[in-house]
Amino acid sequence: GQQVMQIPQYQHVQEGEDFTTYCNSSTTLSNIQWYKQRPGGHPVFLIQLVKSGEVKKQKRLTFQFGEAKKNSSLHITATQTTDVGTYFCAGWGGGFKTIFGAGTRLFVKA
Amino acid sequence: EPEVTQTPSHQVTQMGQEVILRCVPISNHLYFYWYRQILGQKVEFLVSFYNNEISEKSEIFDDQFSVERPDGSNFTLKIRSTKLEDSAMYFCASSEGRGPYEQYFGPGTRLTVT
Repeated sequence: GQQVMQIPQYQHVQEGEDFTTYCNSSTTLSNIQWYKQRPGGHPVFLIQLVKSGEVKKQKRLTFQFGEAKKNSSLHITATQTTDVGTYFCAGWGGGFKTIFGAGTRLFVKA
Repeated sequence: EPEVTQTPSHQVTQMGQEVILRCVPISNHLYFYWYRQILGQKVEFLVSFYNNEISEKSEIFDDQFSVERPDGSNFTLKIRSTKLEDSAMYFCASSEGRGPYEQYFGPGTRLTVT
């Protein structure tokens, strides 16, 4: 079945450093969504990418969707302690199911 | 801002017992979901529900699980005979449409099976 892989599993950064997480799907996706889960919290929607090669920015966050619509990335510039949490990509290939990646847990040291 | 609510926040039950987890999705949403997250692991899709029936379910969602929308607001997940490995956080989510629509997650119910 459809799988969504995400790397790295963990990332420790010093505050002010950049951070990137990568997401790869075994199949072409119709769209990809990104969620953030704070420790002890629930997933919160960040953004959705639909078009091939799409790039979207939210302040210090940059999201990309690959040309083949099988991979995506989230890049955070100059991390802050408030960025701490787990970032999940979630792919939709059609139907009624969204497949989540394993997530990348970000630790930011002040 | 509208939000998805879930009760209880924490449920402790003995192995073999039945549990019902409750969710109130956002009122104008049409699609409802249950996900499971074992501690420290990824969010796993269990089931989606639309128009009063299951639209898709995962391999995890076996005969022990059932979902229901008993009235116009509640959406429930029942586990008939709980096992130790059912211990996890269960999230309910809802969306206006399927696919390219944001899913709003509830705060979750932590289920502990002893």
